[in-house]
Amino acid sequence: GNSVTQMEGPVTLSEEAFLTINCTYTATGYPSLFWYVQYPGEGLQLLLKATKADDKGSNKGFEATYRKETTSFHLEKGSVQVSDSAVYFCALSKRGDFTGNQFYFGTGTSLTVIP
Amino acid sequence: DAGVTQSPTHLIKTRGQQVTLRCSPKSGHDTVSWYQQALGQGPQFIFQYYEEEERQRGNFPDRFSGHQFPNYSSELNVNALLLGDSALYLCASSFLGANTEAFFGQGTRLTVV
Repeated sequence: GNSVTQMEGPVTLSEEAFLTINCTYTATGYPSLFWYVQYPGEGLQLLLKATKADDKGSNKGFEATYRKETTSFHLEKGSVQVSDSAVYFCALSKRGDFTGNQFYFGTGTSLTVIP
Repeated sequence: DAGVTQSPTHLIKTRGQQVTLRCSPKSGHDTVSWYQQALGQGPQFIFQYYEEEERQRGNFPDRFSGHQFPNYSSELNVNALLLGDSALYLCASSFLGANTEAFFGQGTRLTVV
């Protein structure tokens, strides 16, 4: 089956620290991989994506590389800011025949950045 | 572009009642999916609609049903509400023909008391 396992939180970092949130996946075929972010009281916002092996997704200083050999898609940022405090979800999507993408989410990692 | 819009934003219902949640997809999108996000958890796939038909379904009971209208908007209905149905319900829209990300609405917070 399809599933995503991500590092449990919560994670607390000081401003300008380096961030890594681990994510591994199990999937048949060739899924697309995503990181979504959720701020308090809001829905999900796409942070970055990668659609094939060795692709690197990047946005707002965040990066993640699609590693097929290790089935991983770890999220990294070199210097976090207070405004990065949120819950981060790793997800994969599979598109079936005659259907659209279905997303499988990890349980989320809560990040708090302190000044 | 208004993006994905959901209504209402918050809802309180009594156990045993029925509820209807609504979603308007992003302009140009023809596929709508619904997800349930319990507190502290990741979203779980409920079902997906395309061309007014349910195309995929997750592991949810028949109490959860839906509908898609000709203008691609969608409704999620939940009958015989249980306390455990309390969650954030997210609508996601996408375009069937493209292998891209889905766009999510802000969600409807349902509380069953």
